[in-house]
Amino acid sequence: AQSVTQLGSHVSVSEGALVLLRCNYSSSVPPYLFWYVQYPNQGLQLLLKYTSAATLVKGINGFEAEFKKSETSFHLTKPSAHMSDAAEYFCAVSATGANNLFFGTGTRLTVIP
Amino acid sequence: GAGVSQTPSNKVTEKGKYVELRCDPISGHTALYWYRQSLGQGPEFLIYFQGTGAADDSGLPNDRFFAVRPEGSVSTLKIQRTERGDSAVYLCASSPDRGYNEQFFGPGTRLTVL
Repeated sequence: AQSVTQLGSHVSVSEGALVLLRCNYSSSVPPYLFWYVQYPNQGLQLLLKYTSAATLVKGINGFEAEFKKSETSFHLTKPSAHMSDAAEYFCAVSATGANNLFFGTGTRLTVIP
Repeated sequence: GAGVSQTPSNKVTEKGKYVELRCDPISGHTALYWYRQSLGQGPEFLIYFQGTGAADDSGLPNDRFFAVRPEGSVSTLKIQRTERGDSAVYLCASSPDRGYNEQFFGPGTRLTVL
């Protein structure tokens, strides 16, 4: 079975500060891991994905995430927050080759000017 | 190119009524997924189609929920005898093929059951 836990339902950072959104996963098989972003009244957009290649994954809009098997983590980071980063972020996991995604409960990011 | 579209964007209905929610996937995508997102939660898987057939419907909560994809493109999620607990945003996603590891999501249909 697969599941993810996102620590912190709300995170606030100042513009220009580091963004760190936490995700821990549980999977009985090697996982695929994803970060999606959801802007108000829009669909989920893929930020980045880990599919068993490089453990440090770079995505769109300057985001990156590192897969750490020993910690069962896949935290999302961005060195410098921008106002346009304010949104809801979801971590998701699927089993290798499986079809459905298991999502966390989401983290709402607020960027303070 | 056009993304996944869903209609209607909002649906308000009364308890006990029947509703249909439509999803138009990206052209050529053979895999189609339905998810339900309740307030304050992440999306939860409902059903997965590969072509015309429902390959995995393990997420459908009960027999009031049903989905079809008769021609392997557009899909309709049908909910009978709606209950207030069915209120949620229903998301549709598609991907190019089975096992492809990225799903492309539509904007969702917000269903409110009064």
